[in-house]
Amino acid sequence: KAGVTQTPRYLIKTRGQQVTLSCSPISGHRSVSWYQQTPGQGLQFLFEYFSETQRNKGNFPGRFSGRQFSNSRSEMNVSTLELGDSALYLCASSLFTPVYGYTFGSGTRLTVV
Amino acid sequence: DQQVKQNSPSLSVQEGRISILNCDYTNSMFDYFLWYKKYPAEGPTFLISISSIKDKNEDGRFTVFLNKSAKHLSLHIVPSQPGDSAVYFCAAAMEYGNKLVFGAGTILRVKS
Repeated sequence: KAGVTQTPRYLIKTRGQQVTLSCSPISGHRSVSWYQQTPGQGLQFLFEYFSETQRNKGNFPGRFSGRQFSNSRSEMNVSTLELGDSALYLCASSLFTPVYGYTFGSGTRLTVV
Repeated sequence: DQQVKQNSPSLSVQEGRISILNCDYTNSMFDYFLWYKKYPAEGPTFLISISSIKDKNEDGRFTVFLNKSAKHLSLHIVPSQPGDSAVYFCAAAMEYGNKLVFGAGTILRVKS
């Protein structure tokens, strides 16, 4: 079966712009989570969605937002980009809960210049 | 507030020897612990997990040990192979939570 698909793979944006990243989970998976990976910081939790509802949110500013559609596909949006937002953004999906493990996508590499 | 810590940024091991990756946590409410492996330009892939009711779980060359009193877990890879060279992330979760909390990762290099 197809894995978790993230688009685009690479993105270069200018400070102050906004960006939307997309994630298609594994078919049948209803939980979608987003993480930010930066060197030395590991994977920082952004938010988790289940059946179009945000169940959990990490400690990121309000510039980071997300949503989930009825087909479980998810998007995350970052507004007013800052240089520090440059990172690998990872999406992960699981059947009902992330507790027993996720399947990750390959990520979107965002560079803010 | 880092609830999951991997204090060794990197580890270098000779092929065929044992690799031991360590992880400490602070939240006693964690019920599940997982290890993920990540190659460059790929997302992390699940390796092995352990429930807090167990102290050891094995899967082939990989064994995870959990010491709840010390809030410490370790991943043993025996024997280590060059293809094991990757970044290893430790993660923890509460049973009724809905997120994994990850450590910063340890870069493992297996030299042939």
